[in-house]
Amino acid sequence: GIQVEQSPPDLILQEGANSTLRCNFSDSVNNLQWFHQNPWGQLINLFYIPSGTKQNGRLSATTVATERYSLLYISSSQTTDSGVYFCAVSGAGSYQLTFGKGTKLSVIP
Amino acid sequence: KAGVTQTPRYLIKTRGQQVTLSCSPISGHRSVSWYQQTPGQGLQFLFEYFSETQRNKGNFPGRFSGRQFSNSRSEMNVSTLELGDSALYLCASSLAPGGREQYFGPGTRLTVT
Repeated sequence: GIQVEQSPPDLILQEGANSTLRCNFSDSVNNLQWFHQNPWGQLINLFYIPSGTKQNGRLSATTVATERYSLLYISSSQTTDSGVYFCAVSGAGSYQLTFGKGTKLSVIP
Repeated sequence: KAGVTQTPRYLIKTRGQQVTLSCSPISGHRSVSWYQQTPGQGLQFLFEYFSETQRNKGNFPGRFSGRQFSNSRSEMNVSTLELGDSALYLCASSLAPGGREQYFGPGTRLTVT
């Protein structure tokens, strides 16, 4: 099946700093989503981005499908950005999302 | 529009018992998927239902089963619970299967003692 690798596994930032999270996948995809998991476990949708670039406030994402990677940018980080960020993909003809292991982000004041 | 709802939110069961979890998708969504999250294995796909039919199943034993009703609500059942079944069970809904954006519920945290 399709493989998903996220880097870095852990990231510690000072409040106000910028960061880039990376997601590499092993095959062509028809779905790529970025999620933020809150402390209670719910997965919050950030972006649905199988290709192209999107922005939402301080967050933006880019997927280069031909090179099989996606990037999530967080600018001017805040303590509320802390948590685990997941990349999930589904391959052509597949109905299931395959998740990466996540990036644990800690933003300190 | 209301989001995906899951009941119950927390559950404690004893090894050997069975459990049923419920998921109500976003109104108009007809595809429901289930995922298990554990610290060791991460997030893993269990199964996906669309129009009351199981379309895809992950690599889990037959003790894990599910169904979907005509109103798109879904239930999953785990029989003969084992300690390793302790996990966060997440349900996701989408308009249709295959490449559509999925929206997740708050999850059911199951503890097996």
